[in-house]
Amino acid sequence: QVQLQESGPGLVKPSETLSLTCTVSGAFLTSYYWSWIRQPPGKGLEWIGYMYNSGTTDYNPSKYNPSLKSRVTISVDTSKSQFSLKLSSVTAADTALYYCASQHPSMVAFDYWGQGTPVTVSS
Amino acid sequence: QSVLTQPPSVSAAPGQKVTISCSGSSSNLGNNHVSWYQHLPGTAPKLLIYDNDKRPSGIPDRFSGSKSGTSATLGITGLQTGDEADYYCGTWDTTMRVFGGGTKVTVL
Repeated sequence: QVQLQESGPGLVKPSETLSLTCTVSGAFLTSYYWSWIRQPPGKGLEWIGYMYNSGTTDYNPSKYNPSLKSRVTISVDTSKSQFSLKLSSVTAADTALYYCASQHPSMVAFDYWGQGTPVTVSS
Repeated sequence: QSVLTQPPSVSAAPGQKVTISCSGSSSNLGNNHVSWYQHLPGTAPKLLIYDNDKRPSGIPDRFSGSKSGTSATLGITGLQTGDEADYYCGTWDTTMRVFGGGTKVTVL
């Protein structure tokens, strides 16, 4: 059974970089899309971006939400069965519940999700 | 403001049926498949429907999906207390993934 688990600091200071990790069990990280999604308090889901892990070093495309693109980096570490999110120059507007999720290439949907980790941006 | 529009809430008695609508535009639902997710707070969201009307293994046939043009619908029949949750639709919009604002299902 595929399981995803987010981890990282629950509190980040304004202007600093938010860093989260998603640990994957029950699945290989190759040939899958790995996404981050967030939900600000009282609001709906917002897709942050994804990275596709092909298993080769020369083709691992990523795509990000245009509203966050300049601040986001998603990377995959197959040796640790993890993928990560870095969001720079955070503000209070980045306070949210952050989810990691997977997408099999055969479907246009997120087939597995983590249970989410809360991040608060505050000094 | 979510790209896809869902009603904030729907309700029905146990055993009854509810439908949840998801409205979009030509740039999203009009040209892409829809998926539906069930979310109980504090737990991982669960995929209920993908590619408009397909159910992943383990999802009961009480859950059904359909899409027509720029709108989609999730149906839940034989409503159970365990179905009380938030439900989200999702799809692509040009170059990004988008979601609806969510619908809270209440079992009366």
